[in-house]
Amino acid sequence: QVQLVQSGAEVKKPGASVKVSCKASGYTFATHGITWVRQAPGQGLEWMGWISGYNGNTDYAQKFQGRVTMTTDTSTSTAYMELRSLRSDDTAVYYCARPRGLTIFESFDQWGQGTLVIVSS
Amino acid sequence: DIQMTQSPSSLSASVGDRVTITCRPSQRISNYLNWYQQKPGKAPNLLIFAASTLESGVPSRFSGSGSGTDFTLTISSLQPEDFATYYCQQSYSMPLTFGGGTKVEIK
Repeated sequence: QVQLVQSGAEVKKPGASVKVSCKASGYTFATHGITWVRQAPGQGLEWMGWISGYNGNTDYAQKFQGRVTMTTDTSTSTAYMELRSLRSDDTAVYYCARPRGLTIFESFDQWGQGTLVIVSS
Repeated sequence: DIQMTQSPSSLSASVGDRVTITCRPSQRISNYLNWYQQKPGKAPNLLIFAASTLESGVPSRFSGSGSGTDFTLTISSLQPEDFATYYCQQSYSMPLTFGGGTKVEIK
């Protein structure tokens, strides 16, 4: 069955970077992209960006431009999201999710379990 | 950016009630509207895509309708496992955006 398994929780100091992984299984990684969504404590869902599983093209929300990098390793069917220059308001659960079709203009039908990132001095 | 306005932000209902949640985007999005359910400590779960198509495995008491700038999620008979937070999301244009959520609580 389709699964997205994310890396474990992280605690980082302000100004540091974090890299979260998302390993996909049960489907052909290249036929779907991976999107990243975060959720601050007690808050709603915020879309961060997307990477194509086919050609590695990315599209980031303007809010994260210059601070985020999304990559994939097709040999291991793993997607990565690196966020730099962390601030306390980056404390959130970070989710990877799979668009149900070939583009980003889709719903997200599979989600990882989430990775808690805490930014604290 | 397309702003997604959900209402109400919370509601209290009883088992067996009919529940309706509304989502209004700030511009027309055709039928590029999806609904998710999220329970505490869990990832969101897709319920409805393309405004009205039920995701596989989702109970038929959930339904979606609407197009353009006015969308509705309906739960025909609320069950104990339906107490959760519901989000709408537009997949019409970048950046993809979510509504603020509707928390459905037990009356």
